[in-house]
Amino acid sequence: AQKVTQAQTEISVVEKEDVTLDCVYETRDTTYYLFWYKQPPSGELVFLIRRNSFDEQNEISGRYSWNFQKSTSSFNFTITASQVVDSAVYFCALLTGGGNKLTFGTGTQLKVEL
Amino acid sequence: DAGVIQSPRHEVTEMGQEVTLRCKPISGHNSLFWYRQTMMRGLELLIYFNNNVPIDDSGMPEDRFSAKMPNASFSTLKIQPSEPRDSAVYFCASSLGQGMSEYFGPGTRLLVL
Repeated sequence: AQKVTQAQTEISVVEKEDVTLDCVYETRDTTYYLFWYKQPPSGELVFLIRRNSFDEQNEISGRYSWNFQKSTSSFNFTITASQVVDSAVYFCALLTGGGNKLTFGTGTQLKVEL
Repeated sequence: DAGVIQSPRHEVTEMGQEVTLRCKPISGHNSLFWYRQTMMRGLELLIYFNNNVPIDDSGMPEDRFSAKMPNASFSTLKIQPSEPRDSAVYFCASSLGQGMSEYFGPGTRLLVL
C-alpha cells in the first residue's frame, strides 16, 4: 500500500525566513513518482514539481528547492526567503509506477506573516 | 493554453436534487480524474478514466454518484439524489497518461442544504 505522511499540519514563519516542508512516503514499488502541489486560499491546486524514483538529483526553481532522498523515503520542499504570497496549503503526493492514482498527504498549511 | 475547465464554479442546491458537475480536460490529455476535497477526509480520488474508459471507480462513495466521459473533451459527475454530506469541493484533473503530472481545474464548490 502507498502512503504519504506530512507530519507538519501548520507552519508559521515571518517573511524572508526559509522554511522546509517535510514529506515522507511509503511504497514497495521501485518505480514511482513524487509530486508537490500548492493550494492557495483561492482554492485551486497548482502543480509545482514531479520527480521520478530514479532521479535523486535535487532541484531548484527560483526560491523553491526540493530534496529527494530515497534512503530516508523523503521528498522535502524548501522555500527560501519566504513571502506572504507563499501562504497556502502544500500537498505532497505519490504515484506508483504500475498505477494512475495519486496518493496525497494531508497537507501542510504554511502561513507567512509580515 | 487553456487549463482544465470546470463548471459550475459554485453550486448550492437542496437535498434530494440532482447535481451535475462538468469538466473539460486539457486538450491532448488522455487521463481524467475526479476528486473530492473535504476538511474531514482531505483529497479523495473518486474515479478516473483513460481514453474515455472508466478504469477505477472504487472511490465513488455510493450509487448516488455516477460519472461519464462521452468523448475526449468532456466529462460529467452526477449526484442523484444529493445529500448534505456531499457538500465539498470537487476537482477535475487531467494528465497525459500513466505516471504523468495531473493538472487540476479550479474546482466546483458544492453546498447541499
